[in-house]
Amino acid sequence: GEDVEQSLFLSVREGDSSVINCTYTDSSSTYLYWYKQEPGAGLQLLTYIFSNMDMKQDQRLTVLLNKKDKHLSLRIADTQTGDSAIYFCAESGSGNTPLVFGKGTRLSVIA
Amino acid sequence: KAGVTQTPRYLIKTRGQQVTLSCSPISGHRSVSWYQQTPGQGLQFLFEYFSETQRNKGNFPGRFSGRQFSNSRSEMNVSTLELGDSALYLCASSRAPGMGETQYFGPGTRLLVL
Repeated sequence: GEDVEQSLFLSVREGDSSVINCTYTDSSSTYLYWYKQEPGAGLQLLTYIFSNMDMKQDQRLTVLLNKKDKHLSLRIADTQTGDSAIYFCAESGSGNTPLVFGKGTRLSVIA
Repeated sequence: KAGVTQTPRYLIKTRGQQVTLSCSPISGHRSVSWYQQTPGQGLQFLFEYFSETQRNKGNFPGRFSGRQFSNSRSEMNVSTLELGDSALYLCASSRAPGMGETQYFGPGTRLLVL
């Protein structure tokens, strides 16, 4: 079945860029998403990318998609302490709605 | 526009009891999906409803069930609770099912089974 893999932890200094990586197995994945979860909260949609795109930029966020390698990354520029959270990569494809999530990457921002 | 709301936010039950969780989607959204989040298994899809019909179901036992009402509000029920059912239950809504329809999540209901 489909699988989404992420590294579990990332630690960066405030003001640096963060890069969170994700790989997926479903070659029919059509939409790929990044969600953010803060402690005790639900999931907040950050951004998404359609599979026919290579890159999408939205303010401090840049998403890069390498469809050949099935690799997705989220870059957060000028990372702030408020960016500390768990970031989930998710894919949706094959005409089905259910999202398949990675285990999440816990981003810690050091002041 | 109000977001997805879930009630209750926290719940404590004992093994063998049953529980009902409620989700109100964003106004105008007709599709509701439920996910279970645990530290060990991560986020797993439970089921999806659209127009009061279950469209998809994840790999969960029959103790987990749900329904959707004509106003798109949804409930999920877990019967004969087990310790392993302790989790954060997340509801997500979208305008309709299908590719490209972004899902927006509620804050979740945290269930603790003792």
